[in-house]
Amino acid sequence: AQSVTQLGSHVSVSEGALVLLRCNYSSSVPPYLFWYVQYPNQGLQLLLKYTSAATLVKGINGFEAEFKKSETSFHLTKPSAHMSDAAEYFCAVTPRGAGNMLTFGGGTRLMVKP
Amino acid sequence: KAGVTQTPRYLIKTRGQQVTLSCSPISGHRSVSWYQQTPGQGLQFLFEYFSETQRNKGNFPGRFSGRQFSNSRSEMNVSTLELGDSALYLCASSSTSGSPYNEQFFGPGTRLTVL
Repeated sequence: AQSVTQLGSHVSVSEGALVLLRCNYSSSVPPYLFWYVQYPNQGLQLLLKYTSAATLVKGINGFEAEFKKSETSFHLTKPSAHMSDAAEYFCAVTPRGAGNMLTFGGGTRLMVKP
Repeated sequence: KAGVTQTPRYLIKTRGQQVTLSCSPISGHRSVSWYQQTPGQGLQFLFEYFSETQRNKGNFPGRFSGRQFSNSRSEMNVSTLELGDSALYLCASSSTSGSPYNEQFFGPGTRLTVL
């Protein structure tokens, strides 16, 4: 069974600092990988996805993630944090051929200090 | 284009009752998936329907069921409610099933509280 681990349930950064949210997956075959963001009292919004094209994936709001097969990782980064980035972030995977079933990591709450 | 609509947004029930939640996908989308979000267990996949057929099912007891209608609207039902069923229930719609090239769009969720 697939699993996703997000290291750090809470991450705090200063405004303007680098954001790094970690995600590792376990799977014998690289799955499709996703990052979602959830703002309070809202559903999930897709930030970016990896589908086996380029290993460096650019998403919305200045976020990007790099797929590293050797490390089974898909970490999310943003060069400069903004106050509006404060939210909960979820890494998710879906095995190829498994429909739209997503397996989510535990989430990382990002706090941005002024 | 209207987004994914979930009704009701908030619901309070008592143990032992049953509940039905509704999800209207984006127009033209044929896949609807349901997720349960709790502080303790996080986000867990319940099931996916595509063109009225259940395509995938997560690891939930039989008290959780769902269906999809010919207009792609979906309902999920939870019978004999337990306190642990208190959660945010999210649905997501997509135009296809199994293609990551088509984004899944999430609704705002239904917050179910079981007393």
